[in-house]
Order: sequence, then structure tokens, then C-alpha cells
Amino acid sequence: DAMVIQNPRYQVTQFGKPVTLSCSQTLNHNVMYWYQQKSSQAPKLLFHYYDKDFNNEADTPDNFQSRRPNTSFCFLDIRSPGLGDAAMYLCATSRDQWRDSYEQYFGPGTRLTVT
Amino acid sequence: AQSVTQLGSHVSVSEGALVLLRCNYSSSVPPYLFWYVQYPNQGLQLLLKYTTGATLVKGINGFEAEFKKSETSFHLTKPSAHMSDAAEYFCAVSVITGANSKLTFGKGITLSVRP
Repeated sequence: DAMVIQNPRYQVTQFGKPVTLSCSQTLNHNVMYWYQQKSSQAPKLLFHYYDKDFNNEADTPDNFQSRRPNTSFCFLDIRSPGLGDAAMYLCATSRDQWRDSYEQYFGPGTRLTVT
Repeated sequence: AQSVTQLGSHVSVSEGALVLLRCNYSSSVPPYLFWYVQYPNQGLQLLLKYTTGATLVKGINGFEAEFKKSETSFHLTKPSAHMSDAAEYFCAVSVITGANSKLTFGKGITLSVRP
């Protein structure tokens, strides 16, 4: 089945130690998104790629970076995780911003713990 | 600017009872509206969406929602709650900004189902 895959599902890192979260998709979608979701809150968009074009949200801290080496993969890099970065990180995709209804397909998420 | 309001944070119903989760939106253009469900430690799953056409939209798991332009509402209903419906529910509106589209989520509502 076509899907959005996130690895690992659970990640523990130390305060200040760089960490990378991975997302892959078999849907061949043009757009990939990264969200941060803290407990009992709505997902908050960090940034997204339309093909290779990177779009950063204005309030996303510089500590968060992303890479999209090809259509299928997208990575979230947290350069120096703080305790406040502990959250669920969700990856999502959408097919095309002009033809589709902008429906997004979500992966299962990676739960990040910072010790 | 588009926005979504989900009043209240928690709804509790008895098994077999009607489920009603409220969502109001604000949009300067015809909106695309979505309901997503999130089970614990999982990603978001699309329940249903409204784009154009019929205002009563049927989704998965017996859920449906009605788009009411005059009331700027998109409330989610299910005639008979099941224990497996217990989850977090998010209403979202698609926001078009230049060449990109993004989802704006409401704060979410936790649905509990009592035996």
C-alpha cells in the first residue's frame, strides 16, 4: 500500500545532541510537510517542500532544518535539541497544490524525548 | 486570514449515543474543510473533506459532516458512538498563500465514549 513512513517511531536524544528524523513516501507526492505537535495541542507546521522548493514558517526556530534529497525522502534535523523540543513530529504529503483539494496524508509520527 | 474554532476541549458520550463535534471556520474565500482523527501515539487520519458540491459529506467509520455556509460551520456527527471512536478530532481549513497551500488546524477535541 502507498503510504507515508516515519522512522524511528520513538527517538530519545540528549539535550544539545543533534538528531535527525526521517520520512519517506511511496505516494509520489510533490509536497512534503513537517509538523510539531506537543501534548494536547494541534499540529504546528514547521516547514514544507514543494518539489525542491523549501518553505519555512516565519516562527520556526533556526534550530530546525530540513533536507529533501529526492521526491521520496525528507529529513528533519534538530541541531541542538532543548527540553522544549520534546514532541511528536509528524510528516505529511500532498499530491499537488493546484489540482488537488490540498488533502494531506500523514505518517504515524516520531515521538521525540529529550533527556 | 482563514481560521478554525473548535469550542471545548472534551466531549463525553455514552456508547450508542449521538456524537456531535462542532467546528466553525473563518475564510475570505470558499474553503476546503477537513476532519482528521488521531488515535494515541498515531498520525492523523482523514475522516472526510468538503471541497465543492454536495454540502453533506460522508466519511469513514460512519461519520458525516455538513457544510453550512450561512453559519460558517462544518460540524461532525455520527448517529451511534462506538468505543473505538474514542480519539482526538481535529477540524482544519486549507489556506492558500501565494503558490503554496497549508492546513490550519483547530485546537482539537477529545472524544470519550462511556460503556
